[in-house]
Amino acid sequence: DAKTTQPTSMDCAEGRAANLPCNHSTISGNEYVYWYRQIHSQGPQYIIHGLKNNETNEMASLIITEDRKSSTLILPHATLRDTAVYYCIVRVDKLSFGAGTTVTVRA
Amino acid sequence: NAGVTQTPKFQVLKTGQSMTLQCAQDMNHEYMSWYRQDPGMGLRLIHYSVGAGITDQGEVPNGYNVSRSTTEDFPLRLLSAAPSQTSVYFCASSLSTSGGARGELFFGEGSRLTVL
Repeated sequence: DAKTTQPTSMDCAEGRAANLPCNHSTISGNEYVYWYRQIHSQGPQYIIHGLKNNETNEMASLIITEDRKSSTLILPHATLRDTAVYYCIVRVDKLSFGAGTTVTVRA
Repeated sequence: NAGVTQTPKFQVLKTGQSMTLQCAQDMNHEYMSWYRQDPGMGLRLIHYSVGAGITDQGEVPNGYNVSRSTTEDFPLRLLSAAPSQTSVYFCASSLSTSGGARGELFFGEGSRLTVL
């Protein structure tokens, strides 16, 4: 099963783009990359997912490298409300979520 | 749609007591799972189910039992509560049983359990 690695924390200035990296070097060919975020102690919230093409929705963009071994979640214009823990996972069953990246958006 | 509903939201138990955390979803999802989250940590998978009558263990199953008699419900039972089980518990469900294009997880609001 694929596992992911993410930086522990990162800061971002309000209004600037936040680029969150994730490594998933053992991902299988049919496994999707999923991103979630957790604000305070709420239940995690789905952000976006992708297989090999770049994806964009109203919340974020997802860039997946051609070899699919890593991806980057982009929050195009970070706001204070984007302060959260962001999780990157590649499979839902049998796996726990890692510690994720704690993103702090500063005014 | 109500989505994923967890009850109770808060619970205090004494060591040795038993209780059941309830989880229900109204989205006809086949996949359901339980996680626990301790302070400053990620979500650790306790048990999961890929359909009615089918359950399996996750990373931290000891001290917990589950059953899946219907598609909608996936209760988590603490048989004899211990202080180490003090945590926030999240239930989640997904349309897909193995990730894939429809593997988006929907989470409940969490159940905060304290064992004294």
